[in-house]
Amino acid sequence: GQQLNQSPQSMFIQEGEDVSMNCTSSSIFNTWLWYKQEPGEGPVLLIALYKAGELTSNGRLTAQFGITRKDSFLNISASIPSDVGIYFCAGRELNTGGFKTIFGAGTRLFVKA
Amino acid sequence: GAGVSQTPSNKVTEKGKYVELRCDPISGHTALYWYRQSLGQGPEFLIYFQGTGAADDSGLPNDRFFAVRPEGSVSTLKIQRTERGDSAVYLCASSEQGAGYNEQFFGPGTRLTVL
Repeated sequence: GQQLNQSPQSMFIQEGEDVSMNCTSSSIFNTWLWYKQEPGEGPVLLIALYKAGELTSNGRLTAQFGITRKDSFLNISASIPSDVGIYFCAGRELNTGGFKTIFGAGTRLFVKA
Repeated sequence: GAGVSQTPSNKVTEKGKYVELRCDPISGHTALYWYRQSLGQGPEFLIYFQGTGAADDSGLPNDRFFAVRPEGSVSTLKIQRTERGDSAVYLCASSEQGAGYNEQFFGPGTRLTVL
C-alpha cells in the first residue's frame, strides 16, 4: 500500500532554533497536509497544500508541496517551547476523491528552553 | 462550538470481548472518518462515511471490525473478539464534506487496551 517516509523521527533543539522536517511518498498526492498532535489529543491541521510547487506559511510555519507531487517539507522558524509535539505529514491521493488520508509516522519535536 | 467528541476516553477489555467506541461529529458535518493510531505511529485510515453510508471501508483490518452511522451523525465502531493487537488509540474525525479541500477535525480519541 501507500507509504509515507517522514524524517527525522525525532529532533532535540534549543529554543530559538529553526526546524526542518520532510516527507516523501511512493505515490503521487494531490494534497499534502501537515498536522501537530499533543498528548491526549487528536491531530490538528497546521497547513494544507493543494498544488505542486505551492509554498504556504502559517505564522512561523512554512510548508511546500514538492514539484514531483511525491514530497513535502515543513519548516518552523525561531522555535519556542510550545512547539513541542508530534508533527505528521499526510497526503491524499489523486484518484480517491481526496478523502482517504495517509499519514507519516511523525517527527517528535523536543524544544529546550 | 463543540468539536468532535469520543467516548469512552479509555477502554480496557479482555481478549475475546466485544467493544463499541462512539464518535459524535461536529454538528452539520456530513463526512466522518475512523482512524487507528498505534504507539509511535501516525493515524491509519479505517473507514469513511458520507452521510449514513460507508463510502470506503478498505482500511478495516478484518471482519471483526465494523462501523455504523445509522442517522448520518453519531457513529459507532464495533470490534468483535478483541485481540491484544487491537490495542491502540482510535481516532474519529469529521468534515463538512468528504472530498477534496475540506479539513478533517479530529476528536481526542479512545485509548483501547486489550489485556
